[in-house]
Amino acid sequence: DTGVSQDPRHKITKRGQNVTFRCDPISEHNRLYWYRQTLGQGPEFLTYFQNEAQLEKSRLLSDRFSAERPKGSFSTLEIQRTEQGDSAMYLCASSSPAGGYEQYFGPGTRLTVT
Amino acid sequence: AQTVTQSQPEMSVQEAETVTLSCTYDTSESDYYLFWYKQPPSRQMILVIRQEAYKQQNATENRFSVNFQKAAKSFSLKISDSQLGDAAMYFCALQGGSEKLVFGKGTKLTVNP
Repeated sequence: DTGVSQDPRHKITKRGQNVTFRCDPISEHNRLYWYRQTLGQGPEFLTYFQNEAQLEKSRLLSDRFSAERPKGSFSTLEIQRTEQGDSAMYLCASSSPAGGYEQYFGPGTRLTVT
Repeated sequence: AQTVTQSQPEMSVQEAETVTLSCTYDTSESDYYLFWYKQPPSRQMILVIRQEAYKQQNATENRFSVNFQKAAKSFSLKISDSQLGDAAMYFCALQGGSEKLVFGKGTKLTVNP
């Protein structure tokens, strides 16, 4: 069990550019979650998948944000036309029924928009 | 709406002493779960302890225990025999009626040698 992994760990981009982050959940975890954490705050829920189905999206997830999990394994989170307010740590978590759906977090991707 | 409030932005404790971190929450759900997560500096968030709302018995994991007061909607974390490695941000989180976790703003714990 290698844990949840995220790539890249850090991303610096200019305002207006598109960025994509990847999350690889723990093997056989069927649920995958995305959260955003800004400095001095707790994580805020963005969206979650059960297998390949996106079952819940937060109102925080504007039209510029899109998430996919095409084969029910890894997931991508894309932000189009980045804004300075998008600067944050983007956290991924996964869970499984065998684990009581406890969410295990990855190390996060820190996005800086200049 | 579900909310989680952590009223202590920072706490400090002497090594080997005991410290209690406070958390209050609000939810209209009758079935929910409460968690404490630890986030060390520049490291990933890890689950410390979990409490099911329907269980009256307070959860315990080694040096970590909770005081769950359902009527008061209070969920505090007690760390006994504090160690230097306990220094971290601690987040209280609520899960109810949905898969999402709702987090508080966190408490930064410093452990003094």
